[in-house]
Amino acid sequence: NAGVTQTPKFQVLKTGQSMTLQCAQDMNHNSMYWYRQDPGMGLRLIYYSASEGTTDKGEVPNGYNVSRLNKREFSLRLESAAPSQTSVYFCASSERAGGAYEQYFGPGTRLTVT
Amino acid sequence: RKEVEQDPGPFNVPEGATVAFNCTYSNSASQSFFWYRQDCRKEPKLLMSVYSSGNEDGRFTAQLNRASQYISLLIRDSKLSDSATYLCVVNIPGNTPLVFGKGTRLSVIA
Repeated sequence: NAGVTQTPKFQVLKTGQSMTLQCAQDMNHNSMYWYRQDPGMGLRLIYYSASEGTTDKGEVPNGYNVSRLNKREFSLRLESAAPSQTSVYFCASSERAGGAYEQYFGPGTRLTVT
Repeated sequence: RKEVEQDPGPFNVPEGATVAFNCTYSNSASQSFFWYRQDCRKEPKLLMSVYSSGNEDGRFTAQLNRASQYISLLIRDSKLSDSATYLCVVNIPGNTPLVFGKGTRLSVIA
């Protein structure tokens, strides 16, 4: 089992460019999440998908869109990148949202917007 | 009040020391509590769940105090390899994601 995989690992964008971060999990989990992590800010939830076919906003959704493509895949899109979106992005999955279900994280994507 | 609050540290301790971290949570209806560990430039991983009666895993002990709404993590006989950021994680009732604290950074020094 690969667990949670993310692509790419690193990316540099110019302001205004767009890109999609890909995430896939092979644990048959129902719920998937996108976080960003900045120094001193901790993990902040961008969007999550409690189950296939649903998505909900988290704490910091502005400037992002998501797609739950199927049960395995959950992508995050930046339509017009801004320097404030420079961050490390983590995807995670869990059997269900909330409750006592452990979240498993991918290795992260380090994004720099210049 | 933030949902989960932790002392950011850093805690700098010598090898062999005992160190304790506390975390407070604001929602009295929370039922599930965890400690995650995050190494530098890596993803967070579950360290241990926190049970009402307290629980121990080797050198690590987790405690829950519902009345005061805090959880703690005690690390005995610190190793260099314990150097990491420790994240306090709490559930919010309902079908909503876990809430992560900002983390407490620990450096164990030789």
